[in-house]
Amino acid sequence: AQRVTQPEKLLSVFKGAPVELKCNYSYSGSPELFWYVQYSRQRLQLLLRHISRESIKGFTADLNKGETSFHLKKPFAQEEDSAMYYCALSGGGNTGKLIFGQGTTLQVKP
Amino acid sequence: NAGVTQTPKFRVLKTGQSMTLLCAQDMNHEYMYWYRQDPGMGLRLIHYSVGEGTTAKGEVPDGYNVSRLKKQNFLLGLESAAPSQTSVYFCASSYTGSGTEAFFGQGTRLTVV
Repeated sequence: AQRVTQPEKLLSVFKGAPVELKCNYSYSGSPELFWYVQYSRQRLQLLLRHISRESIKGFTADLNKGETSFHLKKPFAQEEDSAMYYCALSGGGNTGKLIFGQGTTLQVKP
Repeated sequence: NAGVTQTPKFRVLKTGQSMTLLCAQDMNHEYMYWYRQDPGMGLRLIHYSVGEGTTAKGEVPDGYNVSRLKKQNFLLGLESAAPSQTSVYFCASSYTGSGTEAFFGQGTRLTVV
């Protein structure tokens, strides 16, 4: 079964500390993985996707097929990074359906 | 450029009442989706559409119906609302069905009492 798991509901760090939001997936095939972010009172928006291999707002995520993980990392957290983060897997079949993890709330304290 | 717009933003329904949520996108996207967001469960797909005139069931379709009569609009209907349908509903659209960004609406907070 296709599944995305984010084991932490809440991650609280101090400003300047490193951040790692965990994401594990279950998928038989070549996965398409994304991180979406929802800032307070804003709509859900794409942060990054694994096929782009890009860094957005200092965040990176590497697909590890062996460990079936797609963890989101940032070396130095900023207060403005506080938000809800969702890892998502494209369900295949060229439909664009997304399977979301449960979400992790990142709280960056001053 | 409005992107994806949902109407209404908030609604309170009594059990058994019906309502329709409207999603409109102005990006000429082919693909549109309805998700519901519940605490601790992330977003789950209700129904989706891969083009005008087409609809398909997602993960949690029971109690909902949809229609895509025009490319830019995707309607979500609740025929007989139940408290279990209390949730935040998100509409999204994407240009293609593979590897592209999904654009989300601002959400509709629905409470069924």
